[in-house]
Amino acid sequence: QKEVEQDPGPLSVPEGAIVSLNCTYSNSAFQYFMWYRQYSRKGPELLMYTYSSGNKEDGRFTAQVDKSSKYISLFIRDSQPSDSATYLCAMSETGKLIFGQGTTLQVKP
Amino acid sequence: ETGVTQTPRHLVMGMTNKKSLKCEQHLGHNAMYWYKQSAKKPLELMFVYSLEERVENNSVPSRFSPECPNSSHLFLHLHTLQPEDSALYLCASSLRGGGGVAKNIQYFGAGTRLSVL
Repeated sequence: QKEVEQDPGPLSVPEGAIVSLNCTYSNSAFQYFMWYRQYSRKGPELLMYTYSSGNKEDGRFTAQVDKSSKYISLFIRDSQPSDSATYLCAMSETGKLIFGQGTTLQVKP
Repeated sequence: ETGVTQTPRHLVMGMTNKKSLKCEQHLGHNAMYWYKQSAKKPLELMFVYSLEERVENNSVPSRFSPECPNSSHLFLHLHTLQPEDSALYLCASSLRGGGGVAKNIQYFGAGTRLSVL
């Protein structure tokens, strides 16, 4: 079993849709949870991070962590074509990041 | 320049060549990382340097040789690579040793796209 599972997609949505991206994990010791966004031909850039359980909101983006279910989510409201990218979840206990496979999102105008 | 800079951005090499990838960070971090990103696979951590000492080597073949001369620079020396080594090689840096979120956030460069013929 992989430590972090993420559906690779691709996920295609119309502009303005609400997007839900998810990861599950097996290591209950993970405390830090991150979402990275990676545009084509670029490196991953940190989008959001959360510590332990709960929600965090930043503009159109909301990150949720449910440690009891070992499940994290990233919601994108009013999605834009510029949101088209690969989204990587990552998590950590001690500073070593474990990444999901990444979900490719396409937002169509 | 700011952030994490990688050069070259693209590299094509034959199996008998020797080349080096370079990474430079301008964030004042004290840890640097090499990752391999292949299609349809999660990022694979290759090496970790903390305060210029290698602290992790994840069973990487010896044809990959890292070097960290100081906390701002990281190299990956390549020799006698195989076609399956073709991938995007990413460098990252972080503030290791600090508490909380800071030590868990890594900042990435744009990567070097490597093709081995």
